[in-house]
Amino acid sequence: NAGVTQTPKFRILKIGQSMTLQCTQDMNHNYMYWYRQDPGMGLKLIYYSVGAGITDKGEVPNGYNVSRSTTEDFPLRLELAAPSQTSVYFCASSTNSNQPQHFGDGTRLSIL
Amino acid sequence: LAKTTQPISMDSYEGQEVNITCSHNNIATNDYITWYQQFPSQGPRFIIQGYKTKVTNEVASLFIPADRKSSTLSLPRVSLSDTAVYYCLVPSSTSGTYKYIFGTGTRLKVLA
Repeated sequence: NAGVTQTPKFRILKIGQSMTLQCTQDMNHNYMYWYRQDPGMGLKLIYYSVGAGITDKGEVPNGYNVSRSTTEDFPLRLELAAPSQTSVYFCASSTNSNQPQHFGDGTRLSIL
Repeated sequence: LAKTTQPISMDSYEGQEVNITCSHNNIATNDYITWYQQFPSQGPRFIIQGYKTKVTNEVASLFIPADRKSSTLSLPRVSLSDTAVYYCLVPSSTSGTYKYIFGTGTRLKVLA
């Protein structure tokens, strides 16, 4: 089992550029999550989804968009990259809200 | 929303028992408290989860008092490989919308 796969692993963007961080899981989990982790800090929830077609905002959704067209995929979109979005982004999935979350290896994003 | 508090760091020696406490208020009713371990440049990894009283698995124990306003992760006989950051995760429900609140994390350093 691949688990949760995130691509790319690293990316450098210029201010104002856009990009999509990809996340896919092969565990047939209903719940999927996007977190960001700034250096030396904890994880903050950006968006989450409880199933295909359903998404909701987390603690820090501004500047991001998500979609969930399939159970497997949960891409995160940055429309106008800003230096404040430099961070490590983690995608996770779980069976439901009370089951443990399985995390990907993260995407390191730098915006210059 | 629930708010969590953990000690920023702890040092221990190999073979000792380590207890890390997470304080959390406004935890959603009937929801689980989950603990994760994170090594540098990796996503968090599930350690243990519980709802009340005590839970034990092959790597840790989790103690949750009756008021559920805190939880204590207990690592028996730590080794150098347990050096990592430990996070508690609590769901927080407001008007039926879930937010997943990670603690600030406790940086555990195990010394030889």
